[in-house]
Amino acid sequence: AQSVTQLGSHVSVSEGALVLLRCNYSSSVPPYLFWYVQYPNQGLQLLLKYTTGATLVKGINGFEAEFKKSETSFHLTKPSAHMSDAAEYFCAVTPGGATNKLIFGTGTLLAVQP
Amino acid sequence: GAGVSQSPSNKVTEKGKDVELRCDPISGHTALYWYRQSLGQGLEFLIYFQGNSAPDKSGLPSDRFSAERTGGSVSTLTIQRTQQEDSAVYLCASSLLWNTEAFFGQGTRLTVV
Repeated sequence: AQSVTQLGSHVSVSEGALVLLRCNYSSSVPPYLFWYVQYPNQGLQLLLKYTTGATLVKGINGFEAEFKKSETSFHLTKPSAHMSDAAEYFCAVTPGGATNKLIFGTGTLLAVQP
Repeated sequence: GAGVSQSPSNKVTEKGKDVELRCDPISGHTALYWYRQSLGQGLEFLIYFQGNSAPDKSGLPSDRFSAERTGGSVSTLTIQRTQQEDSAVYLCASSLLWNTEAFFGQGTRLTVV
């Protein structure tokens, strides 16, 4: 069965510092991988996704993630944090087949300090 | 509207009562999903619709939970005999096809007292 593990339920960085949010997946088939962001009292917004092809995926708001099959990882990074990046971030995987349901990690709450 | 719309945005109900949560997907989207977000369980898949059919309802936690979709559009999630553990935010998402990006609504926050 597919699953996702996010290391660190809370991450705090200074404004301008590198953001690194970790995600490892477990999948018996080539996975589709996603990062979503959730701002307070809002729904989920897709940041980026990996399906096939290039392993370095660029998303919105300056975020990117690299699919590393050998490490079963899909870590999210941003070179320079902004205050507006403070939110909860979810990594997700789809099990494939005739459904596109998402299996989510437990989320990482990112705080950005001035 | 331009996005996925859910109503009500907040619902407080007494234990044992039935509730209905509504989702209006983006027009033309054939796939519709319900998820539940709670402090203890995180984000959980509940059910998937393709058109009016539900080929995957594996995430419904008990037979108190049911959902339907009519006209390939609006969906209703019904919880019968609500329990306190049903308190959560219920999120709906839709996508154009089963394998394209899912767009989420802002959710319905359900509180069972």
